[in-house]
Amino acid sequence: QEKVQQSPESLIVPEGAMVSLNCSFSDSASQSIWWYQQHPGKGPKALISIFSNGNKKEGRLTVYLNRASLHVSLHIKDSQPSDSAVYLCAEDDYNQGKLIFGQGTKLSIKP
Amino acid sequence: NAGVIQTPRHKVTGKGQEATLWCEPISGHSAVFWYRQTIVQGLEFLTYFRNQAPIDDSGMPKERFSAQMPNQSHSTLKIQSTQPQDSAVYLCASSFWGGSETLYFGSGTRLTVL
Repeated sequence: QEKVQQSPESLIVPEGAMVSLNCSFSDSASQSIWWYQQHPGKGPKALISIFSNGNKKEGRLTVYLNRASLHVSLHIKDSQPSDSAVYLCAEDDYNQGKLIFGQGTKLSIKP
Repeated sequence: NAGVIQTPRHKVTGKGQEATLWCEPISGHSAVFWYRQTIVQGLEFLTYFRNQAPIDDSGMPKERFSAQMPNQSHSTLKIQSTQPQDSAVYLCASSFWGGSETLYFGSGTRLTVL
């Protein structure tokens, strides 16, 4: 049983558009939810994390967490071609840094 | 800082051979993680060390896989008698102390078992 599920599987948007990525997790007691970005041939790179219900903004990124519905979303404002990558949502299992990852969303930004 | 260094970048082995993958964590980081990534299974946790001590190996296949961290500057993942289903990208990551904090990943070792 998959603990972290992401949607959509893939997404193509024009440059400058707002991007919304979704993630559902299985354990409302999980400490932090993370978003990582992965370019081809590279390891994942941490983008943003959230612990408390509500939202958190960093630059062009905003993340929303709702523990009651076990849902988190990542929004990318003013998308750029360099944002094209796979985005991975991860649940921090028991707050020890052991991340449980979703299958990812492949994002393509068209110039 | 060069980041997490993994060697080799690519490794091809024949079925039944042994493969050893190397990881050099970021200097000063006390936690090292190993993950495996495939198209079908995605990114799966394998094992985790803190201050060189094994903390959690719940993701490691019980047979043929072993990991060690003989000193703070490197960790190895060894796969004995490799099988085609072991083909994957093996990723190493490190963090300062192993709690809920940023993991810094290397670029991975792509293992192909023929």
